[in-house]
Amino acid sequence: QKEVEQNSGPLSVPEGAIASLNCTYSDRGSQSFFWYRQYSGKSPELIMFIYSNGDKEDGRFTAQLNKASQYVSLLIRDSQPSDSATYLCAVNAGGNTPLVFGKGTRLSVIA
Amino acid sequence: SQTIHQWPATLVQPVGSPLSLECTVEGTSNPNLYWYRQAAGRGLQLLFYSVGIGQISSEVPQNLSASRPQDRQFILSSKKLLLSDSGFYLCAWSRQEQGTFFGQGTRLTVV
Repeated sequence: QKEVEQNSGPLSVPEGAIASLNCTYSDRGSQSFFWYRQYSGKSPELIMFIYSNGDKEDGRFTAQLNKASQYVSLLIRDSQPSDSATYLCAVNAGGNTPLVFGKGTRLSVIA
Repeated sequence: SQTIHQWPATLVQPVGSPLSLECTVEGTSNPNLYWYRQAAGRGLQLLFYSVGIGQISSEVPQNLSASRPQDRQFILSSKKLLLSDSGFYLCAWSRQEQGTFFGQGTRLTVV
């Protein structure tokens, strides 16, 4: 059973701080890794993906991948109240297999 | 650019009634298509996925079924709804390993 684990939270950070969201996965053969943001009552929105070990930056977001530790993280710099949402980690083993999603971490940015 | 249309946005149905949710994708060909369900406060549950016309994989045995009559059309059906079928139903598409993209979702309440 392929699993993706996330702390459910809530993770509370003050406005302007760095929010750090973490995810571990069980399938060592996983090849691509995704972060989604889901606002309450809305559908998930893809915000970052990463394929290679190391860091990938996009604006205030940085995804970090460590395949040896089977660990993915998302850093949000200068957190804003509008970043308050549930963040879903998803992992793909390759080919036509569906993404395996974690249950998400709820982030609350306090103004 | 690719877009995904899913309707209706909300639906209230009595127990025992049939269900038909439809989803279409524009701007791509031969996408992988998915139906997910998200119960209140829960993670995403993959229900069905399809890699081509007439090819449906079922992930969870239940009273739901899916069909793909055209390349970019995916339909979720039930002959008789149960109370436990209530939830947020999401259609999604992917192509190669570029991420999975969700429709706006249908909030189904079975009463």
